[in-house]
Amino acid sequence: DVKVTQSSRYLVKRTGEKVFLECVQDMDHENMFWYRQDPGLGLRLIYFSYDVKMKEKGDIPEGYSVSREKKERFSLILESASTNQTSMYLCASSLLQGPHQETQYFGPGTRLLVL
Amino acid sequence: DAKTTQPPSMDCAEGRAANLPCNHSTISGNEYVYWYRQIHSQGPQYIIHGLKNNETNEMASLIITEDRKSSTLILPHATLRDTAVYYCIVRFLDNNAGNMLTFGGGTRLMVKP
Repeated sequence: DVKVTQSSRYLVKRTGEKVFLECVQDMDHENMFWYRQDPGLGLRLIYFSYDVKMKEKGDIPEGYSVSREKKERFSLILESASTNQTSMYLCASSLLQGPHQETQYFGPGTRLLVL
Repeated sequence: DAKTTQPPSMDCAEGRAANLPCNHSTISGNEYVYWYRQIHSQGPQYIIHGLKNNETNEMASLIITEDRKSSTLILPHATLRDTAVYYCIVRFLDNNAGNMLTFGGGTRLMVKP
């Protein structure tokens, strides 16, 4: 089974702090994604990566950056956390090509509260 | 991507089949229908996908109408653990790495004892 893990289930940070959210997948997937999920807004893509050291902006990249130094690991960074970044953050991975390319496997999510 | 319409909520008795409808009347010929679900406080989970033919796997069956304008996800014997929000998504299958998923409101399925 594909496993996507996220470093924390719950996180509480203060405004202005730098926040790191880590995601690791064990299925050698090329694609990795970071989403945030908010009530009434569904999932919104922040950034994605299709290879090591490659990254692409999603729909709402402002206030975030990412790092993909190894294939299995994709980090989301909040340079200076703000209260409007309080949300559920979901990481996902998928194959780049092939019949299951579109199947994204999600981690359990990190619920971040910024005070 | 084609827009989907799902009922906001449904109830189902435990042990009975749960039939979750989805309308996607603007779907184009090379868009796939995907179903995911999200159990409370967990990440979304892939269930099944299809293009034209009906599909079945260990979790569910997907019935797509001949004109492809609607589909039904069937959980043949719903259990309490199937209580979740079910999302119907239509997407192109291509080699674009930016294959992000757009989740709409979904259907909140409540399985009752």
